[in-house]
Amino acid sequence: EAGVAQSPRYKIIEKRQSVAFWCNPISGHATLYWYQQILGQGPKLLIQFQNNGVVDDSQLPKDRFSAERLKGVDSTLKIQPAKLEDSAVYLCASSLRGGGDTDTQYFGPGTRLTVL
Amino acid sequence: GQSLEQPSEVTAVEGAIVQINCTYQTSGFYGLSWYQQHDGGAPTFLSYNALDGLEETGRFSSFLSRSDSYGYLLLQELQMKDSASYFCAVYSNKFYFGSGTKLNVKP
Repeated sequence: EAGVAQSPRYKIIEKRQSVAFWCNPISGHATLYWYQQILGQGPKLLIQFQNNGVVDDSQLPKDRFSAERLKGVDSTLKIQPAKLEDSAVYLCASSLRGGGDTDTQYFGPGTRLTVL
Repeated sequence: GQSLEQPSEVTAVEGAIVQINCTYQTSGFYGLSWYQQHDGGAPTFLSYNALDGLEETGRFSSFLSRSDSYGYLLLQELQMKDSASYFCAVYSNKFYFGSGTKLNVKP
């Protein structure tokens, strides 16, 4: 079974530029998550989708971040414009069911973003 | 709000036993999970405790005390490959992760 795929793996941009990340979850997984992991910290949930609907985006900085999951499969996360503090690893994860406490999350390798 | 506390770093020798503690403050607690993350890698699920007590999975065990808002991950027969960061995470309508404990296993 293929895992969660993410691209690109690395991205370097200058502040105020835009960037987009792509995620392909495990086939058949209903729930998709985007996390931000700043160096030395744990992952922080940005947005959670169930199929193509948003379950939680309370920690997503909506003035600059946006995400979509068209057709309930792939997802893209965009930052526009980027700030220095957005430098982090952006992790995508998926889970089989509705994302509850017993629904194991499977993480992708992440995209490491550096904002100069 | 939610807060999780775990030690930032732990060092142990190969073959030894190490315990990584996690205390949490949260509303609407459902359960405590543990994840392992090697440098540059993706977090991988290790264990989940919804009820008080000890859950054992091979060399790894996880414990939860809901009344004390406390849990720990126990790693036995440490191997060099266990060198990684370990995160506790609580589920309270969504997942909140601790800052992680970096485990260094020495020969």
